[in-house]
Amino acid sequence: EAGVVQSPRYKIIEKKQPVAFWCNPISGHNTLYWYRQNLGQGPELLIRYENEEAVDDSQLPKDRFSAERLKGVDSTLKIQPAELGDSAVYLCASSLATNEKLFFGSGTQLSVL
Amino acid sequence: AQSVTQPDIHITVSEGASLELRCNYSYGATPYLFWYVQSPGQGLQLLLKYFSGDTLVQGIKGFEAEFKRSQSSFNLRKPSVHWSDAAEYFCAVGVGGNQFYFGTGTSLTVIP
Repeated sequence: EAGVVQSPRYKIIEKKQPVAFWCNPISGHNTLYWYRQNLGQGPELLIRYENEEAVDDSQLPKDRFSAERLKGVDSTLKIQPAELGDSAVYLCASSLATNEKLFFGSGTQLSVL
Repeated sequence: AQSVTQPDIHITVSEGASLELRCNYSYGATPYLFWYVQSPGQGLQLLLKYFSGDTLVQGIKGFEAEFKRSQSSFNLRKPSVHWSDAAEYFCAVGVGGNQFYFGTGTSLTVIP
C-alpha cells in the first residue's frame, strides 16, 4: 500500500514568490491534514479536511495561504506571496477514522530567501 | 486549552542503556495519546497509542508507554536502546473531532 505522497521534496524560492505543495493521501482516508513544522518544533496544524470540506482552518493565515481538496482526494496548499518566516517543513497527513493514527508524508522543505 | 509538554529537548544515552522520554499533557478529559518518531528528513511514524484500557501500551521497535492519569503523563520507555533509535520523538494528544496537538519533541542521540 502506498503511503502519503508529497511533492516537491524541497523548494527554494525568493520572498514574495508564490509556491504550491501537493499531497496525495492514502487511498480511502477521508481526513487530510496540513501541518507546518518549524525547525526544532513539533507539527502545528494549518488545516484539516473531512472529505472535500475544510473543517478546521483556524490556524491558516488566510491572507497568504490557501488550500483545496478537490474531489476529496488530493490536496494542494499554496502560499502567495511567500515570506521569509514561511521557511519550514510542510507535512501532509491522512487518517482513516476519527482520532485514529495519522500517516504522514515525508514533507516539503521550503526555504524562502 | 490543550497542550503537550516534552520537558527534555535533547537526551543522550549509551547504546544498550534504558530510555525514558517524558510527556505531560493538559486536557480536561482523558485524551487519546500517541508517540511518534521522526528520522531526519522523514515524516512522523507512529510508535504507539493509548485510547483506553490497559495503561501500559506496547508499540513497535520495542517501545512501550505508560499512561498515568494522576500525573497527566504518558512517558515513553525502552529497556535497551539501539543506535538506530536516534531520532526525534514527539508526543501527541488527540481530542474530540480529529484534533491533534504535538509536543515540541525530544531529540535522542545514541552513543556507542
